[in-house]
Amino acid sequence: GENVEQHPSTLSVQEGDSAVIKCTYSDSASNYFPWYKQELGKRPQLIIDIRSNVGEKKDQRIAVTLNKTAKHFSLHITETQPEDSAVYFCAAPWRGGSQGNLIFGKGTKLSVKP
Amino acid sequence: GAGVSQSPRYKVAKRGQDVALRCDPISGHVSLFWYQQALGQGPEFLTYFQNEAQLDKSGLPSDRFFAERPEGSVSTLKIQRTQQEDSAVYLCASSLQLKQETQYFGPGTRLLVL
Repeated sequence: GENVEQHPSTLSVQEGDSAVIKCTYSDSASNYFPWYKQELGKRPQLIIDIRSNVGEKKDQRIAVTLNKTAKHFSLHITETQPEDSAVYFCAAPWRGGSQGNLIFGKGTKLSVKP
Repeated sequence: GAGVSQSPRYKVAKRGQDVALRCDPISGHVSLFWYQQALGQGPEFLTYFQNEAQLDKSGLPSDRFFAERPEGSVSTLKIQRTQQEDSAVYLCASSLQLKQETQYFGPGTRLLVL
C-alpha cells in the first residue's frame, strides 16, 4: 500500500517569504496528489491538487510540482501572509488510486510571522 | 450549496458507552469516507462507501467500530463500548465519484472518552 512522508513538520517564515513543503510517496501507480490546509479546530480544505499527467500546477500564490520518477511532490507558497498560518497535509491515493481513500502525511505546521 | 455536515460536533462519553456519529454528505455525492484524526496527526482512513455499499472497512481499528449508509446518503459511524483510545476527531468526507476526485470534508466530531 501507499506510504506518504511529509517534511518539515514545522516551518516558520517571515511574511512575504516563500514556503516549501515536500512529500514523498511509495506507490508508483499513484496518480492524484491533493494538498489540504487545516486551521485549528476547522475542517481540512483542499487548496490545490495535481494529477500525474502534469508536472506543475499554479493557482495564484500556490503551486504544486510533481516528480513521478523520484516519487515526490511539493507545495510552494509565495509571498506568504499571516493568514497562511495553518497545518498543511499532503495526500496520495491508497493502492495507487484503485480505491478512493487517501493516505495523508503527518502534516506541516506553517507559521508566518508578520 | 451546502457542504458536508456532521453531528454532533462534540461528544463526551464515559468509557463503555456506545456513541453514534452522523454524516450528511453533499447532495449527489456517490462516495463517502470516514477518517480518524488524532491530535497533531493527519487523518487516517477508517472506511468508505460507494452509494450504500461499504467497499472497504480495513481501517476500522476494531470490531467495536461499525459504519452504515443504508440509503446511500446519510452515514452513521457507531462505536460500541468506547475506550479512552477512541478519543479523536472523526472526519467525514464525500466526493462526486470514487477515484481521483476532490474529497470535501465535514467539520468533524470531536469525541472525548473519559
